[in-house]
Amino acid sequence: AQSVTQLGSHVSVSEGALVLLRCNYSSSVPPYLFWYVQYPNQGLQLLLKYTSAATLVKGINGFEAEFKKSETSFHLTKPSAHMSDAAEYFCAVSKGGYQKVTFGTGTKLQVIP
Amino acid sequence: DAGVTQSPTHLIKTRGQQVTLRCSPKSGHDTVSWYQQALGQGPQFIFQYYEEEERQRGNFPDRFSGHQFPNYSSELNVNALLLGDSALYLCASSRARAVNTDTQYFGPGTRLTVL
Repeated sequence: AQSVTQLGSHVSVSEGALVLLRCNYSSSVPPYLFWYVQYPNQGLQLLLKYTSAATLVKGINGFEAEFKKSETSFHLTKPSAHMSDAAEYFCAVSKGGYQKVTFGTGTKLQVIP
Repeated sequence: DAGVTQSPTHLIKTRGQQVTLRCSPKSGHDTVSWYQQALGQGPQFIFQYYEEEERQRGNFPDRFSGHQFPNYSSELNVNALLLGDSALYLCASSRARAVNTDTQYFGPGTRLTVL
């Protein structure tokens, strides 16, 4: 079975500071990994995905994530937080293709002015 | 280009009742997946429909059933509602036989409250 663990249910950063949201995965096969963002009372929006190509993946809104097989990690970063980044972020894993996606429990990001 | 749409936006039911939620996939998409997101949790996979058949199913009881129509839209039905079924129900669509078939696009969800 595949799973992801998101470390820290709540993360607070100051505006302009580095954003680091942690995700570790467990998979018996090469994983497909995703980061989604969810704003209040909305659905999920795909930020970026890793599908066995480049290990450093760039996404929308200045976010990026690095796949590290040796650490089974796929942490999400952004160099400088903006107030509009305040939302809940979900890390997810699948076997690729049409296979179901398994989500983590989410990390709420608070950006302090 | 319309994205994934879901109806209704909100729904209130009482225990024991039945509910039907609807989803229209993004234009050009033929695969629909349903997820349940309880408050404070990540989405949990319920099932996926492709070519009008259930292709995959998560760990949900038979009270949860679905259907896909020839135009690729889908319904999620839940019978004998329990208080624990209160959640945001998300629909996601994707396109089979595409390079990025792994990419799902999510709708805004239907908030179901069971009293």
